Amino acid sequence: DGGITQSPKYLFRKEGQNVTLSCEQNLNHDAMYWYRQDPGQGLRLIYYSQIVNDFQKGDIAEGYSVSREKKESFPLTVTSAQKNPTAFYLCASSIRTEETQYFGPGTRLLVL
Amino acid sequence: GESVGLHLPTLSVQEGDNSIINCAYSNSASDYFIWYKQESGKGPQFIIDIRSNMDKRQGQRVTVLLNKTVKHLSLQIAATQPGDSAVYFCAENRDSGYSTLTFGKGTMLLVSP
Repeated sequence: DGGITQSPKYLFRKEGQNVTLSCEQNLNHDAMYWYRQDPGQGLRLIYYSQIVNDFQKGDIAEGYSVSREKKESFPLTVTSAQKNPTAFYLCASSIRTEETQYFGPGTRLLVL
Repeated sequence: GESVGLHLPTLSVQEGDNSIINCAYSNSASDYFIWYKQESGKGPQFIIDIRSNMDKRQGQRVTVLLNKTVKHLSLQIAATQPGDSAVYFCAENRDSGYSTLTFGKGTMLLVSP
């Protein structure tokens, strides 16, 4: 089965804690993305990566960090610097950055 | 700034009716458009796409129309079913130097049996 997986489905963060969201794809896509979705809002781009070992900031990168050590994986860390982390986080991938993006099932992050 | 947007935030239809969801875009340089469906608590699913060299594309029960003159995109769903209830997003490729997609806020489609 090809696709994009995200884990965990729900994640709880304590104040001052860093948490990492996992995203894996077996579609052999070069590009991967992280979006944040708030209720009633459109998707906002956090970071994207066009190729292994390279990534770029999106519109709302502050308080987040990423790595792209493998083609299949693009983990997102929500750092303690992100003061309003509660949201639904979506990972996506595409063959190239200007092509159709395919999304994972999402991770809902809640703050304790 | 330039953005992708939608005319109607919520659309309510009866089962069996045809649905039309609209999207206005302002970036005249965009040449690729996508429609996504997002059910509650899930990730968006690709429905259909269209390039700017076309004005119409059909899929299974769905048709996308592109009017470049007025920068308007629409998604038509034939014989709408309760399972079509979801939020529908349009997206356009972004001509801002790093060529990613820009997403609209979405329209909620509610289908009554």
